[in-house]
Amino acid sequence: DGGITQSPKYLFRKEGQNVTLSCEQNLNHDAMYWYRQDPGQGLRLIYYSQIVNDFQKGDIAEGYSVSREKKESFPLTVTSAQKNPTAFYLCASSPLTSFFTDTQYFGPGTRLTVL
Amino acid sequence: GQQVMQIPQYQHVQEGEDFTTYCNSSTTLSNIQWYKQRPGGHPVFLIQLVKSGEVKKQKRLTFQFGEAKKNSSLHITATQTTDVGTYFCAGGTALNFGKGTSLLVTP
Repeated sequence: DGGITQSPKYLFRKEGQNVTLSCEQNLNHDAMYWYRQDPGQGLRLIYYSQIVNDFQKGDIAEGYSVSREKKESFPLTVTSAQKNPTAFYLCASSPLTSFFTDTQYFGPGTRLTVL
Repeated sequence: GQQVMQIPQYQHVQEGEDFTTYCNSSTTLSNIQWYKQRPGGHPVFLIQLVKSGEVKKQKRLTFQFGEAKKNSSLHITATQTTDVGTYFCAGGTALNFGKGTSLLVTP
């Protein structure tokens, strides 16, 4: 069963703690993305990666970090430097035939609440 | 980056009524994509438009890309309760997402 998985679905953390969100895909896609969604808002790009061991900052990268050690995996760490981390986090992937204009396949998301 | 504006922000219709959401950009877009997100779910790709003036249909959904490639619309004919959700447009080389239109359909 191909697709993108994100875990956990709900995550609670205390303020000041770093937390890592998982994103795995078995679609053999080259590109992966992380978005943040707040109520009533669209999706804002945090980081993206076109290839293993390479990634680029998106519009709101401050307070976040990523790694891309494997093609299938693109974990996102929300650090204590992120001022307002409570949000719905969505991971997506796409083939690299035409970067960013390809269809993006989204995972089910992780809803992070920082107390 | 390119700004993609979407209106209206919310729309409440009676089942059977039509619905339209509009997406506008101040600059020419290379492409426009439309996604649907059900309440509590994740965005799901609906369609991509690339050509100027392009019109595509998916059953009761009609998608249009403007002649100048600066605007797009999604029209739903005779809405059903299954159409409930937020519809996002996304366009340009960096796939900038609009804020979405939340559609509520009451029986």
